[in-house]
Amino acid sequence: SQKIEQNSEALNIQEGKTATLTCNYTNYSPAYLQWYRQDPGRGPVFLLLIRENEKEKRKERLKVTFDTTLKQSLFHITASQPADSATYLCAYTGRRALTFGSGTRLQVQP
Amino acid sequence: DTAVSQTPKYLVTQMGNDKSIKCEQNLGHDTMYWYKQDSKKFLKIMFSYNNKELIINETVPNRFSPKSPDKAHLNLHINSLELGDSAVYFCASSQRQDNSPLHFGNGTRLTVT
Repeated sequence: SQKIEQNSEALNIQEGKTATLTCNYTNYSPAYLQWYRQDPGRGPVFLLLIRENEKEKRKERLKVTFDTTLKQSLFHITASQPADSATYLCAYTGRRALTFGSGTRLQVQP
Repeated sequence: DTAVSQTPKYLVTQMGNDKSIKCEQNLGHDTMYWYKQDSKKFLKIMFSYNNKELIINETVPNRFSPKSPDKAHLNLHINSLELGDSAVYFCASSQRQDNSPLHFGNGTRLTVT
């Protein structure tokens, strides 16, 4: 069955650097991948959607890539800020509902 | 204006009790969901309704019963609560039953003692 995996270890980076988060899937390429941000005590908030036939998608300081050969999506935050500290979740549409990875916690140090 | 609102935010109750969580969305979306987030922060789909019709019912004990009185509401009733039901429950909605992004509420933290 399809599995979606994110690095469970927290990512710590310095302010101003680029944060790169990884999402790997195990079997077939999902037609879409979505990325969400979740802050403590809050629900996930949608950030970006990338289609299978798109290599890259950008929104302000955010960039998502989709590599069907590597079965991987990368999520980049450039010029990171302490306010970017949160848990980031990737998700794919499986069995008619969005299926989430376990998320990676990002901590941006001032 | 809150797009997806769920109440209560916190729910502390004893084993064996019955409780309900309410959810409302004012986005005009067709599809609503209940997700459960466990202590390891893993979000898992429980139910999905499209235009008041149940379309997804994952492997959830039948003590959990969703009810959708109209397209804008999806409530979750839980009978005979168990310790293992303790988690954060999130309601969400999407425009359609496809790859539309989900809009989440801020969760209900259920603690069963």
